[in-house]
Amino acid sequence: EIVMTQSPATLSVSPGEKATLSCRASQGVTSNLAWYQQKTGQAPRLLISSASTRATGIPARFSGSGYGTEFTLTISSLQSEDFALYYCQQYNNWPLTFGGGTKVEIK
Amino acid sequence: EVQLLESGGGLVQPGGSLRLSCAASGFTFSAYAMGWVRQAPGKGLEWVSAITGTGSATDHADSVKGRFTISRDSSQNTVYLQMNNLRADDTAVYYCAKRSAESYGHFDSWGQGTLVTVSS
Repeated sequence: EIVMTQSPATLSVSPGEKATLSCRASQGVTSNLAWYQQKTGQAPRLLISSASTRATGIPARFSGSGYGTEFTLTISSLQSEDFALYYCQQYNNWPLTFGGGTKVEIK
Repeated sequence: EVQLLESGGGLVQPGGSLRLSCAASGFTFSAYAMGWVRQAPGKGLEWVSAITGTGSATDHADSVKGRFTISRDSSQNTVYLQMNNLRADDTAVYYCAKRSAESYGHFDSWGQGTLVTVSS
């Protein structure tokens, strides 16, 4: 099983600042990596697939990068609606696995 | 617009059974794989089961293998999760999710979830 490790667990950021979230895979997953956003009481929402492709309707302030084992989600200028939980997920190998999540909170 | 509507959750005793349903609309149902992902209270996301668009192949997480079965009915545009021999650690919100291709891919659409509580 590929273990996905996200860091940090919690990120405190002021509105308007940049947030950088990391996701590491225990073995290579090529670019088969997705990022999801989850707000309290809501279902997850796809942000990024194939490591760097924004989903339909996702603002350009969200960007993804990386390949193999190291991946990054960057939010260029945090808006109030961006404070949430973020999960990475690999879909290169069975079983599909998620990271433990990064909570982005208001500083 | 893709819509996924889960139903069938509820309170069940340990060792009991439940069948979850996920009614899908807004896309060509048989062209996409589907899956179930769960989230225990206060915890992260855990993939549970997946099925290809044609229903020819399925897979389950080790934690549910032998107890849960995923299936789909293309005439009803519905995916099911039959859950048997339920345990307390199966307590979670269960999300139905559409994958991005017929047999693989990320989850590009999610339902709102249905809560399963296993308790005596």
